[in-house]
Amino acid sequence: GNSVTQMEGPVTLSEEAFLTINCTYTATGYPSLFWYVQYPGEGLQLLLKATKADDKGSNKGFEATYRKETTSFHLEKGSVQVSDSAVYFCALRHAGNMLTFGGGTRLMVKP
Amino acid sequence: EAGVAQSPRYKIIEKRQSVAFWCNPISGHATLYWYQQILGQGPKLLIQFQNNGVVDDSQLPKDRFSAERLKGVDSTLKIQPAKLEDSAVYLCASRPVRQGPYEQYFGPGTRLTVT
Repeated sequence: GNSVTQMEGPVTLSEEAFLTINCTYTATGYPSLFWYVQYPGEGLQLLLKATKADDKGSNKGFEATYRKETTSFHLEKGSVQVSDSAVYFCALRHAGNMLTFGGGTRLMVKP
Repeated sequence: EAGVAQSPRYKIIEKRQSVAFWCNPISGHATLYWYQQILGQGPKLLIQFQNNGVVDDSQLPKDRFSAERLKGVDSTLKIQPAKLEDSAVYLCASRPVRQGPYEQYFGPGTRLTVT
């Protein structure tokens, strides 16, 4: 079946540090891959996506590259800010346009 | 454009009681989803509607959960009777159509606590 595995958190960084959140997936076929972000008290927001191998999704300084050979979609940002503190979810979209989510990774950025 | 609306935002009930959640999707969105997000986990799909028909409810515990979208717009998710393990955030999401490169838009969720 389809599944997504993320690194466990919380990830605690100082402002301006480099961020990597690992995500690997198991799926049949060629799913689309997503990163969603959930700020405290808010719903999930789409952060970025990639629909085929070697695609790079980017938004707000965050990037992730669809690596089919390693079945990975790691999230990176060169310099995090306090406002990036949130929970990040990796997800894949498969048949019927249904999403399968990873367990989420909490990021805490300290000033 | 207004987002996905959900109510109530918070609900506390005792086990064996009943509870209902309401979702109003983005105007014109034909597809609607309900997810359950247990604390510390990712959202899990419970049911998917296309207009007023059920597309997938394979993950819905049908002995206690029910959902409807009678007029193809608003939707209600009900739990009867609630169990302690139903404590979670219930998220509603919508997208314009079932197929195609359209994204799901999520509401703020309803946080349910069962005591």
